[in-house]
Amino acid sequence: NAGVTQTPKFQVLKTGQSMTLQCAQDMNHNSMYWYRQDPGMGLRLIYYSASEGTTDKGEVPNGYNVSRLNKREFSLRLESAAPSQTSVYFCASSEAGRDYGYTFGSGTRLTVV
Amino acid sequence: AQSVTQPDIHITVSEGASLELRCNYSYGATPYLFWYVQSPGQGLQLLLKYFSGDTLVQGIKGFEAEFKRSQSSFNLRKPSVHWSDAAEYFCCSGGGSQGNLIFGKGTKLSVKP
Repeated sequence: NAGVTQTPKFQVLKTGQSMTLQCAQDMNHNSMYWYRQDPGMGLRLIYYSASEGTTDKGEVPNGYNVSRLNKREFSLRLESAAPSQTSVYFCASSEAGRDYGYTFGSGTRLTVV
Repeated sequence: AQSVTQPDIHITVSEGASLELRCNYSYGATPYLFWYVQSPGQGLQLLLKYFSGDTLVQGIKGFEAEFKRSQSSFNLRKPSVHWSDAAEYFCCSGGGSQGNLIFGKGTKLSVKP
């Protein structure tokens, strides 16, 4: 019963480097989400995918891209990392959209120096 | 815009004391409401959710929440707090315009021995 799996758990990048955060769920959920969590800001939506083959921007999409590779996997890419992207990133999935609550991964703590 | 407000940033209670965490929402229709808990360094775990019907909702770990439409509130309660309840608690609602859950900024709970 893995639920939502995120890799890596920790990462340090230099400014300008790129990386991809991986997320996979084994619950056959249609909807998947990427959030960032910053102190005092709560969670803010970066991108979401309502179903396989679709992606949409959330509240804070600038500097990020996503790929919904298949129903299980939803990756988040930072093309040119900036210190402002230092954050904890959470992937989540949902059975039938936002109204049924999310299952979260354990997070990726990213530091950009 | 729809919003969720958690008025208390940090609360400290003694072990064995009762707990109430406040949450207010702004939403025209009856919202879907959730409480999540985040232990240090962990992802978010769903405690309970309200969709409709009985306004008193039971969750995991001995938590309950009461929906009060007249006060636009969905406060989380526990009769007797345990040291392991120390964590950050997030209230959120469905109905985000971008297909997302709307999160409050969280309340950090500390438990005194």
